[in-house]
Amino acid sequence: GNSVTQMEGPVTLSEEAFLTINCTYTATGYPSLFWYVQYPGEGLQLLLKATKADDKGSNKGFEATYRKETTSFHLEKGSVQVSDSAVYFCALSALFGNQFYFGTGTSLTVIP
Amino acid sequence: EAQVTQNPRYLITVTGKKLTVTCSQNMNHEYMSWYRQDPGLGLRQIYYSMNVEVTDKGDVPEGYKVSRKEKRNFPLILESPSPNPTSLYFCASSFGHNSYEQYFGPGTRLTVT
Repeated sequence: GNSVTQMEGPVTLSEEAFLTINCTYTATGYPSLFWYVQYPGEGLQLLLKATKADDKGSNKGFEATYRKETTSFHLEKGSVQVSDSAVYFCALSALFGNQFYFGTGTSLTVIP
Repeated sequence: EAQVTQNPRYLITVTGKKLTVTCSQNMNHEYMSWYRQDPGLGLRQIYYSMNVEVTDKGDVPEGYKVSRKEKRNFPLILESPSPNPTSLYFCASSFGHNSYEQYFGPGTRLTVT
């Protein structure tokens, strides 16, 4: 079946530190992959996406590369800010079927 | 402003009471979906709709019903009995499935006592 496994949190970093949040997936065929961000008290919003192997999604300094050989889509940012504190969700939409699948979420806190 | 709205935002009810959470989008999206968010479990899809009058079950449909009579509205009905319905519920919409971005509502926090 289809599933997403992401790194457990919470993660606490100092401002300007390097961030990696791991995400691996299981899917039939070639899914589209997404990272969503949820700020406190809000709904999720799209951070970036990639729709085929070796694609790199990027937005607001965040990047993730669709790696088919390792079935991974790890989120990275070179220098985090306090304003990046949020919960991050990795997600996929399978090629077959009409559902979306989300990981458990990783809470990030950035301290000054 | 393009948005997904949900009502109510907060709801406290008792076991066995049927209730409805409304969802509406103004972006002419064809795909709409309901999720529940629980600690340690992330978001799980309850039901989704590909278009008007077309709905299908997600991973956790037990105790819920939906309808899609109009393109913009996708209400979630919690029926009695609903196993463990206390949760945070999100409605989302998109132009389609596959590579499309989903737009999420602000969430409805439901507490069942």
